[in-house]
Amino acid sequence: KQEVTQIPAALSVPEGENLVLNCSFTDSAIYNLQWFRQDPGKGLTSLLLIQSSQREQTSGRLNASLDKSSGRSTLYIAASQPGDSATYLCAVRRAGNMLTFGGGTRLMVKP
Amino acid sequence: ETGVTQSPTHLIKTRGQQVTLRCSSQSGHNTVSWYQQALGQGPQFIFQYYREEENGRGNFPPRFSGLQFPNYSSELNVNALELDDSALYLCASSYTGTDTQYFGPGTRLTVL
Repeated sequence: KQEVTQIPAALSVPEGENLVLNCSFTDSAIYNLQWFRQDPGKGLTSLLLIQSSQREQTSGRLNASLDKSSGRSTLYIAASQPGDSATYLCAVRRAGNMLTFGGGTRLMVKP
Repeated sequence: ETGVTQSPTHLIKTRGQQVTLRCSSQSGHNTVSWYQQALGQGPQFIFQYYREEENGRGNFPPRFSGLQFPNYSSELNVNALELDDSALYLCASSYTGTDTQYFGPGTRLTVL
């Protein structure tokens, strides 16, 4: 059974800091890994998707890496802003389009 | 905006009642998945429908059931509601063979 863990569960940083969110998964037989953002009480917004054959993806100030063999992914956020405050979720996909999510990291960026 | 809508936004029910949640997918998306997200946790996969047939189910009992219609809408039905069913219910639509799933804003269900 695939299990996904995210550390830390919560993080508070001052504006401008660079930060790293961690995601680990137990079964390396994945199709891809996605990072999502969720604002309070809202749905999910896809940030980055990394195929199992890729090592990283970048979008603006966001960079996600994937090490499938060790079951780890990181989301790097550069020059954090208060608008980045949200919950960040990672999810792995196996066959059939089913996503298995981690518990999320609640990020607060203070002005 | 993902083009996926859900109704209602919020719902309050009492234990033992039945509830129907609705999702309207993007046009052309033939796959819809439903997820349950308890407060402070990540979403958990309930089931997926492809071309109006159930195409995979997570660890949820049979009182959770669904329907998918030809007009790209779908329903999640929950019978005999329990207090632990209180959660945000998310639907996600996609086109088979593509990687991107588009999530709706969710329905917040409270069971008293």
